[in-house]
Amino acid sequence: VQLQESGPGLVKPSETLSLTCTVTGVSVTDGYYWNWIRQPPGKPLEWIGFIDYRGTTFHNPSLQGRVTISRDTSRGQFFLHLTSVTATDTAVYYCARLVYATSPYYFDYWGQGILLTVSA
Amino acid sequence: DIQMTQSPSSLSASVGDTVTISCRASQSIGNHLSWFHHKPGAAPKLLIYAASNLHSGAPSRFSGSGSGTDFTLTIRSLQPEDFATYFCHHSHSRPYTFGQGTKLEIK
Repeated sequence: VQLQESGPGLVKPSETLSLTCTVTGVSVTDGYYWNWIRQPPGKPLEWIGFIDYRGTTFHNPSLQGRVTISRDTSRGQFFLHLTSVTATDTAVYYCARLVYATSPYYFDYWGQGILLTVSA
Repeated sequence: DIQMTQSPSSLSASVGDTVTISCRASQSIGNHLSWFHHKPGAAPKLLIYAASNLHSGAPSRFSGSGSGTDFTLTIRSLQPEDFATYFCHHSHSRPYTFGQGTKLEIK
């Protein structure tokens, strides 16, 4: 199982951030939850949200409705769109798989992360 | 949101030492806690899940303990590849949150 993030390294303030996570070795329709997580410079990791194997999504309320997570099952990809970005959205963004079949849940595979900078 | 507080924030040790890292939750999370190893530019690696279960592929020198609000990661006989940042994560309820990380450095 491998996850790989891709996307632009730079986004202008007020624009929409779009990232892709490509999953290999397992289908995104298998029984897992597919997550986005970020780490701003000098701060702890922050969970953004997930899309599950059925296509149901859930995101962190702290992002105030700016988040959309979607997927393309034929390509084995899921996506993050974050609108109205500001400098506080500058972070390393990770995608990760959450094992949800048994409790407690846990992230077992992560991508290596992609640095996204918000700047004019 | 449940706050996760790790201590110490940094730690110096030598190869062969045993170290412990703590993680405290702001409310009881049962055993819904994981520990990760992370080096810059690399994918975080799962070490421990369900507070004390060693993930397949993680070396047996790593162990976890605790329940409720207080948890510990112990690393015995430190190896050179162990010098990295370690962080905890709770999955008790959404939103999931993480500890701020403990940087383990070579003395």
